[in-house]
Amino acid sequence: DAKTTQPPSMDCAEGRAANLPCNHSTISGNEYVYWYRQIHSQGPQYIIHGLKNNETNEMASLIITEDRKSSTLILPHATLRDTAVYYCTPSGGNKLTFGTGTQLKVEL
Amino acid sequence: DTEVTQTPKHLVMGMTNKKSLKCEQHMGHRAMYWYKQKAKKPPELMFVYSYEKLSINESVPSRFSPECPNSSLLNLHLHALQPEDSALYLCASSRGTSGRDSSYNEQFFGPGTRLTVL
Repeated sequence: DAKTTQPPSMDCAEGRAANLPCNHSTISGNEYVYWYRQIHSQGPQYIIHGLKNNETNEMASLIITEDRKSSTLILPHATLRDTAVYYCTPSGGNKLTFGTGTQLKVEL
Repeated sequence: DTEVTQTPKHLVMGMTNKKSLKCEQHMGHRAMYWYKQKAKKPPELMFVYSYEKLSINESVPSRFSPECPNSSLLNLHLHALQPEDSALYLCASSRGTSGRDSSYNEQFFGPGTRLTVL
């Protein structure tokens, strides 16, 4: 399983973009990069995933480097409700292996 | 219906008790999962069922016994647990994949069952 490295915590002002980095240098060629978040005391919530190309949906954008060794999740206009632990997890098949994640705190 | 439901929300049990956790989804997903999450730690995968067959067991002790009666239901039977088994138990489901293709296999998680073993 690919290992991930994420900063343990980040702060962001409300309304500003939050850029969350993830290093996954051991990712396999067929593994997608999935991002989830977990708001306190709730189950994790899927955000976005990608293989090689950058992706965007209604929640976030995902930028994957050309060598696929790292990625960045972008929340374009963070709100207080985006305060959560964010996990990036390379995944092949049915298996997700969560790293320690980044605690994002969005403040006024 | 894009929801995964789990019952009960909270469970307190003694070390000699037998109890079961239940999980249900009606999204037509063919893969279902059990995770264990200790406080301030990431979720850890325990079991994966794919097309109602156990496909992954992450070396979980036999006091945890999963069951998948049909494609919508997943149970976790608990027996002779230890206090260190106290945790949040999360169920998830996904479309399910064959082989190594993980495209469009995002997992939908339930709210979890908070288990306390006395």
